[in-house]
Amino acid sequence: DQQVKQNSPSLSVQEGRISILNCDYTNSMFDYFLWYKKYPAEGPTFLISISSIKDKNEDGRFTVFLNKSAKHLSLHIVPSQPGDSAVYFCAASPRAQFYFGTGTSLTVIP
Amino acid sequence: ETGVTQSPTHLIKTRGQQVTLRCSSQSGHNTVSWYQQALGQGPQFIFQYYREEENGRGNFPPRFSGLQFPNYSSELNVNALELDDSALYLCASSRTDHSGANVLTFGAGSRLTVL
Repeated sequence: DQQVKQNSPSLSVQEGRISILNCDYTNSMFDYFLWYKKYPAEGPTFLISISSIKDKNEDGRFTVFLNKSAKHLSLHIVPSQPGDSAVYFCAASPRAQFYFGTGTSLTVIP
Repeated sequence: ETGVTQSPTHLIKTRGQQVTLRCSSQSGHNTVSWYQQALGQGPQFIFQYYREEENGRGNFPPRFSGLQFPNYSSELNVNALELDDSALYLCASSRTDHSGANVLTFGAGSRLTVL
């Protein structure tokens, strides 16, 4: 039972444009959400988080939006850079355990 | 600040064998979680250790067990290995960010192949 879903396995974007990665969840008890980036042969690295009391959080080029009624979150990267090419995982948590999506592979084309 | 380190990076076992994976937490972290990432999937929660005790467990059988030591390092043990246990095993230690919530810091993982 996949409680966190990333329905787009891959995404290609031109350098300088916006990348939008989407994530849906099913459990209304989730109250904390994170995005991780993963390069090959490395562990996932933390990118940005948002708690359920907010609907937006920004950190430089990265913005996460949370729509609790739709149980949907998205990650916006503006402007996209070739170094952003990686697999992006969203994760959600009610407490100790994090539930991860299956990931979206982002390719930023120079 | 040292990050999360895992060993070994790769290993090959046969069905029925036992394996032990090791993890050193990032300095200043006191909680360790283990995740299994099968090919093409996201990480799946195995269990978490806090103060040397299991503090939450995912949907994994008892042949998956763990330990946390006083220095917050950890081990994941898997007995009676099955082919489906082939995966990347990720260790993550935790800190609290400005919002008071936990952020996982992952190691590079141990890739286990069961033949």
